[in-house]
Amino acid sequence: GAVVSQHPSRVICKSGTSVKIECRSLDFQATTMFWYRQFPKQSLMLMATSNEGSKATYEQGVEKDKFLINHASLTLSTLTVTSAHPEDSSFYICSATPPAGWDEKLFFGSGTQLSVL
Amino acid sequence: GQQLNQSPQSMFIQEGEDVSMNCTSSSIFNTWLWYKQDPGEGPVLLIALYKAGELTSNGRLTAQFGITRKDSFLNISASIPSDVGIYFCAGLLTGGGNKLTFGTGTQLKVEL
Repeated sequence: GAVVSQHPSRVICKSGTSVKIECRSLDFQATTMFWYRQFPKQSLMLMATSNEGSKATYEQGVEKDKFLINHASLTLSTLTVTSAHPEDSSFYICSATPPAGWDEKLFFGSGTQLSVL
Repeated sequence: GQQLNQSPQSMFIQEGEDVSMNCTSSSIFNTWLWYKQDPGEGPVLLIALYKAGELTSNGRLTAQFGITRKDSFLNISASIPSDVGIYFCAGLLTGGGNKLTFGTGTQLKVEL
């Protein structure tokens, strides 16, 4: 079936460094991808909507200069956490929208656990 | 951001028991989805509901889309150990660009 691949699955970094997370749709072209953040024992909270070839739309309270999103192709979106701090430690999940007509409307990646020391 | 109210927050049941959880919203949705998430993984779609009043089954799972379009429930019959995980409801509004609003989650633990 359709797969959304997210990489890396786990990353540990020092405070102040930047981390890039990739989200790829393997079986389809995704015009829209979404980035979520999930803190322990909490739900998924939408951070931003990423559209191919245009600027991402950020949810209220999400700093666009801190969480840089690039959707350069129909199969790849990247999230860069710039100058990461311990409070940015979280589980980041992407999802991708397949073309119209697919039964399933959204596919999720397997997530990236970010730990900032 | 908005969240849907999901209850119960957690459940600890015996293997073989039936499980029921529900999700309510102050606003309407056109589509209700139920996901299961295992630790360290992304959510996996269990059931999708597209019409108010719709009752849909997937194996031991049954879910219903409330008539008011503001609620949904999920039932799991004859639970087994691999049902352990966190279950999330999610609402989708047509024209909302596939932006999902997630429920607060129900943690299910199954005792052998």
